[in-house]
Amino acid sequence: GENVEQHPSTLSVQEGDSAVIKCTYSDSASNYFPWYKQELGKGPQLIIDIRSNVGEKKDQRIAVTLNKTAKHFSLHITETQPEDSAVYFCAAKGNNNDMRFGAGTRLTVKP
Amino acid sequence: DSGVTQTPKHLITATGQRVTLRCSPRSGDLSVYWYQQSLDQGLQFLIHYYNGEERAKGNILERFSAQQFPDLHSELNLSSLELGDSALYFCASSVMVGTGGTGELFFGEGSRLTVL
Repeated sequence: GENVEQHPSTLSVQEGDSAVIKCTYSDSASNYFPWYKQELGKGPQLIIDIRSNVGEKKDQRIAVTLNKTAKHFSLHITETQPEDSAVYFCAAKGNNNDMRFGAGTRLTVKP
Repeated sequence: DSGVTQTPKHLITATGQRVTLRCSPRSGDLSVYWYQQSLDQGLQFLIHYYNGEERAKGNILERFSAQQFPDLHSELNLSSLELGDSALYFCASSVMVGTGGTGELFFGEGSRLTVL
């Protein structure tokens, strides 16, 4: 089955700086790569996603890049704000529709 | 509000007991996923159902079982509970890819299980 690895496990940045979280996946058949944000006491919520036929996608301060050859994808958050502090999960979904998640990154944005 | 409802929100029980967690997916979603999240851990995939049929199993213990009913709600049954089963259990629903959906998972708020 799919195996997703995520780094770093914790990340601390100063407000206004950029944050980058990286993930790798093992199943070359995976074709959908979402990123979820989990705030304390809540379920994860989708913040951005990318399909395997696209190399990059941007939504305001958030962007995701995908390198299919290397089987890795990254989340980029620019101009970070304290409300960006949360746990972020990457995931990969293959043709069997199963979604496997990375271990998560705890992002702290210091004011 | 994701539209996915999980009950109960909190549950405290003793070792050796059995509990049932319930999930109502978003209206129209046929796929239901169950995940386990232990303290400061990631989301461990347990099982996936689509329209009443089991589609895939992840790291689900033999003491655990699940089913999806004709009205599409799902239940996760945890038996012979151990201390290590204490965790947040999330249900998520989605539209199956290939039916016009994006594949996005919509998560409930979770059921927090504490085994004493």
